[in-house]
Amino acid sequence: TQLLEQSPQFLSIQEGENLTVYCNSSSVFSSLQWYRQEPGEGPVLLVTVVTGGEVKKLKRLTFQFGDARKDSSLHITAAQPGDTGLYLCAGARGGRGPTLGRLYFGRGTQLTVWP
Amino acid sequence: DVKVTQSSRYLVKRTGEKVFLECVQDMDHENMFWYRQDPGLGLRLIYFSYDVKMKEKGDIPEGYSVSREKKERFSLILESASTNQTSMYLCASSLSVGQGAGNTIYFGEGSWLTVV
Repeated sequence: TQLLEQSPQFLSIQEGENLTVYCNSSSVFSSLQWYRQEPGEGPVLLVTVVTGGEVKKLKRLTFQFGDARKDSSLHITAAQPGDTGLYLCAGARGGRGPTLGRLYFGRGTQLTVWP
Repeated sequence: DVKVTQSSRYLVKRTGEKVFLECVQDMDHENMFWYRQDPGLGLRLIYFSYDVKMKEKGDIPEGYSVSREKKERFSLILESASTNQTSMYLCASSLSVGQGAGNTIYFGEGSWLTVV
């Protein structure tokens, strides 16, 4: 069972279009992160959101953490071919003990932006 | 910059061989992780370690073991490699931080293992 469900799994769009990727769960997370992975490389952190309702912007990328801290979205405005990659959301459950440092990953959204 | 280095980028091993995947991080992070990544399945946690000589099973530990004798090094061991262990393996590390602060994970570049 996947703790975090990402949608869509694949997204293929033309340059200049807008898109939104969703990350949903029935569980509450203490924080949520978005990573981007390019072929042959490890994922790289884009952003961390911590507060319910928080919105963060990174140039053309807007990240939102749901009020109840169970979901998040990534919106890209005017997508470019350089945005192509695998986008992963990951949540931290918090708490205590050895599992404190663990993140739970969604399965990812493969985005392709065509020129 | 945090650097997580995986010793081998590409390996080809035979069924039944013992395989060692080595990972070193240079930022004195408490936590280290081993994931495997397969198309359509995302990242699945095999094992993680929150301190030297400490380990916790992840979601798919069967067929794997780990070793953390030094803080900077975390090894993944396939005791007897099988074809269904063909995958990309990602090592990662993070600081041990408090609740709500976010646990940024830094990944290595990955090791592509093919078992034939």
